[in-house]
Amino acid sequence: SQELEQSPQSLIVQEGKNLTINCTSSKTLYGLYWYKQKYGEGLIFLMMLQKGGEEKSHEKITAKLDEKKQQSSLHITASQPSHAGIYLCGADLGTNFGNEKLTFGTGTRLTIIP
Amino acid sequence: EAGVAQSPRYKIIEKRQSVAFWCNPISGHATLYWYQQILGQGPKLLIQFQNNGVVDDSQLPKDRFSAERLKGVDSTLKIQPAKLEDSAVYLCASSRWGTTGELFFGEGSRLTVL
Repeated sequence: SQELEQSPQSLIVQEGKNLTINCTSSKTLYGLYWYKQKYGEGLIFLMMLQKGGEEKSHEKITAKLDEKKQQSSLHITASQPSHAGIYLCGADLGTNFGNEKLTFGTGTRLTIIP
Repeated sequence: EAGVAQSPRYKIIEKRQSVAFWCNPISGHATLYWYQQILGQGPKLLIQFQNNGVVDDSQLPKDRFSAERLKGVDSTLKIQPAKLEDSAVYLCASSRWGTTGELFFGEGSRLTVL
């Protein structure tokens, strides 16, 4: 089974609507990272969460980390066509923080429709 | 700042043939990663280098895959002989020393094995 499970696997949202993507780990999290990938391109780093309860925002994207539940959520407010792509969560699931080895989830494919 | 460069972007080979991918990381980045991303899945770490030393190659199929980073800068990933299940995008990423989780990815090399 996957160490990092993302839900939903795909999401179709009307432009202007809000949405949430979830990432759940089967192991203790030593850091949670969100990336975005457009088709045929590499991954782009969005943000990093390291402490339980931490919340970060970048433009209209907000990510939260619930360390106890080993979960993170990514919330997009007032979605735009530019938000379309694949969102991947990555985590350091090693025994030491700073291992710098990222395990990725399977991704959530986001489509924005007019 | 120039990004991570990868070549070739696309490669089509027949099974049992060999292929090599090249990656030039961002200047000054000590850590280099090769990930394999099969269609519909998240990236899977194949090998991680710190300068020219291997940190983690636990998921590298060593009977057919090899990688090197001789001078601690650019890197080559080779597959010999290729199998059908090796069809995937091979992503190279780099990061600065001590910056967990913020990886800079190249656009990837898409391999199709027929």
